[in-house]
Amino acid sequence: GIQVEQSPPDLILQEGANSTLRCNFSDSVNNLQWFHQNPWGQLINLFYIPSGTKQNGRLSATTVATERYSLLYISSSQTTDSGVYFCARETTDSWGKLQFGAGTQVVVTP
Amino acid sequence: DGGITQSPKYLFRKEGQNVTLSCEQNLNHDAMYWYRQDPGQGLRLIYYSQIVNDFQKGDIAEGYSVSREKKESFPLTVTSAQKNPTAFYLCASSDRGSVNTIYFGEGSWLTVV
Repeated sequence: GIQVEQSPPDLILQEGANSTLRCNFSDSVNNLQWFHQNPWGQLINLFYIPSGTKQNGRLSATTVATERYSLLYISSSQTTDSGVYFCARETTDSWGKLQFGAGTQVVVTP
Repeated sequence: DGGITQSPKYLFRKEGQNVTLSCEQNLNHDAMYWYRQDPGQGLRLIYYSQIVNDFQKGDIAEGYSVSREKKESFPLTVTSAQKNPTAFYLCASSDRGSVNTIYFGEGSWLTVV
C-alpha cells in the first residue's frame, strides 16, 4: 500500500489565505520532513519534525506520530509560496533513506 | 558558497547511449544521494552512499550505475538498459546518519530523443 500519502493533490489559494496540507504515513517513523520545491525544481528542506510542532515564519508543522500524520500550515500565503510541497519519511527499516509522498501542488494567485 | 552543483542542467540522449550526470558538493557531507522525479510524482531513490568507496541501491537502481571515489563527487550514469530515462534527476547530500540535514542540488533534466 501507499506508505506516504499527501492531500490534497492540488490547492489554489488567493494571496493572504491560510491553508493546511496533510501527510499520512503507514508505519511508525523516526524522521518526518517537509520540503518545498519551487517552480524551477529546487528542493528546500522546510522542517524536520518526527513529532511535535515547529514554526518558521508563516509556516508551521505538526506531527502526531501515534496517529501517523503530519500537517503543514501556510498562513497569509504569498505568491512565492507557490510550488510543490512534499513530505518524506525515514523509517528504522530504511535508515538513511527518505521515502517521499506524491506532493501537493500549491498555486497562490495575486 | 557551500552547496551542491549538478551538471549539465539539460541533457538530451539518443536511445542506446549511456550518459553521466555530475554531482559535486562542498558541504563536507559524508552521505550523497540520487533521486529521480517524474512529472506529478514524488522523488524516488536510485542510489545512495554513506561513505567514500561504498554505495547501496535504492528503490529503482536498475539501469543506473554510480561511483564514489571522492567525498565531494557522486556521478550517476544512466545506461542504455534504463528503458524510460526521461526524467528530472536530483542529487543530494547530508551528514552521515542525519538525513534530516539533507541538501539538494538544482537538478538535471534528461530527455531521450
